[in-house]
Amino acid sequence: DVKVTQSSRYLVKRTGEKVFLECVQDMDHENMFWYRQDPGLGLRLIYFSYDVKMKEKGDIPEGYSVSREKKERFSLILESASTNQTSMYLCASSLGGLDTEAFFGQGTRLTVV
Amino acid sequence: AQKITQTQPGMFVQEKEAVTLDCTYDTSDPSYGLFWYKQPSSGEMIFLIYQGSYDQQNATEGRYSLNFQKARKSANLVISASQLGDSAMYFCAMREVQGAQKLVFGQGTRLTINP
Repeated sequence: DVKVTQSSRYLVKRTGEKVFLECVQDMDHENMFWYRQDPGLGLRLIYFSYDVKMKEKGDIPEGYSVSREKKERFSLILESASTNQTSMYLCASSLGGLDTEAFFGQGTRLTVV
Repeated sequence: AQKITQTQPGMFVQEKEAVTLDCTYDTSDPSYGLFWYKQPSSGEMIFLIYQGSYDQQNATEGRYSLNFQKARKSANLVISASQLGDSAMYFCAMREVQGAQKLVFGQGTRLTINP
């Protein structure tokens, strides 16, 4: 079974802190994604990576950066956390190709106070 | 611009009835894929069904079918004989070749099945 693991289920951080959300997949997938999920807004794509060290901005990249130094790991970085970044963050991975389903992690509920 | 639009924030259906969840999309790419995912209250994302833009027939998976109308750019999910366990959030998503195959989602529809 494909496994996508996010490092934390719940996280509470202070405004201005640098926050790292880690995601690891164990199926050698080329593609990895970071989304945030907010009520009424669905899943919004923050960043996407299609290969090691390759990244593409999604629809809402402002305030975020990413790192993919190894194929299995995709990190989301909040350079200076703000209260409007309080959200559920979902990581996903997939093989390359239009028809390949994405597999999701369990999500990280981040609260910025 | 919103690529995927789900216009039904919530739907309420009686058990055993069929239900249709709407999804419209926007793309100029001739080659794309459409997905539906289910998210129960536990939070996990469950893949349900896939439709490719060049597929001649509508996709089906058990009680799930996809009503694909390419000219209208719609990809509605049909659930037949609904069950209480179908209560969940449902998301429509799309991948395009020109978008480096990134996967984008709609706003979701919360489906509630009443006994």
